[in-house]
Amino acid sequence: HVQLQESGPGLAKPSETLSLTCSVSGYSISDGYFWGWIRQPPGKGLEWIGSLFHSGVTFDNPSLKSRVTISLDTSKNQVSLQLNSVTAADTAIYYCARQSGRYFELDQWGQGTLVIVSS
Amino acid sequence: SSELTQDPAVSVPLGQTVRVTCQGDSLRNYDATWYRQRPGQAPQLVFYGKDNRPSGIADRFSASSSGNTASLTITGAQAEDDADYYCASRDGSAYVFGTGTKVTVL
Repeated sequence: HVQLQESGPGLAKPSETLSLTCSVSGYSISDGYFWGWIRQPPGKGLEWIGSLFHSGVTFDNPSLKSRVTISLDTSKNQVSLQLNSVTAADTAIYYCARQSGRYFELDQWGQGTLVIVSS
Repeated sequence: SSELTQDPAVSVPLGQTVRVTCQGDSLRNYDATWYRQRPGQAPQLVFYGKDNRPSGIADRFSASSSGNTASLTITGAQAEDDADYYCASRDGSAYVFGTGTKVTVL
């Protein structure tokens, strides 16, 4: 049974870097699949941020690509997200998820963590 | 990047059939994926590809597509289907979500 759990600061200051970690259990992230992040501003729709395969292949949202770094720590079975130069528009629930390389479907999701960007 | 457009809201009497539609250019090249998001919960995959329903998802969910339009049909809607539904698809090496449809089961 695959489980994903996001963690990180719930508050970030404008212009700073948002850093989140997703701990995966029940599946080794080096065994396959892409691992990625999605966000949802309060009361709004979903936005895919990007995903990464353990080989280093990445898929990115063009609108966020310049500010996003996704990385894998296979020794800890964790997926990380860094989002630079945040503004209030980056306030959202951030989800990590497992993503297939065929249909790109997101078949396993974490419960999400709310990050508020405010001074 | 491509956009996927959905009707904002639709309602359905308990036990009746409802169709949620999704339009966008990327659907001409890629199959849609569908997610259900109940209030306060993470999204959940309910259908993907041409004919794939994850284990645990009721067979009352089905999907179809034609041209730039994809549809998710719930046949015999239940109270637990009251949720937001999002379509999504590949767009080259990216992935895009639809605008979302609020399905209300009356």
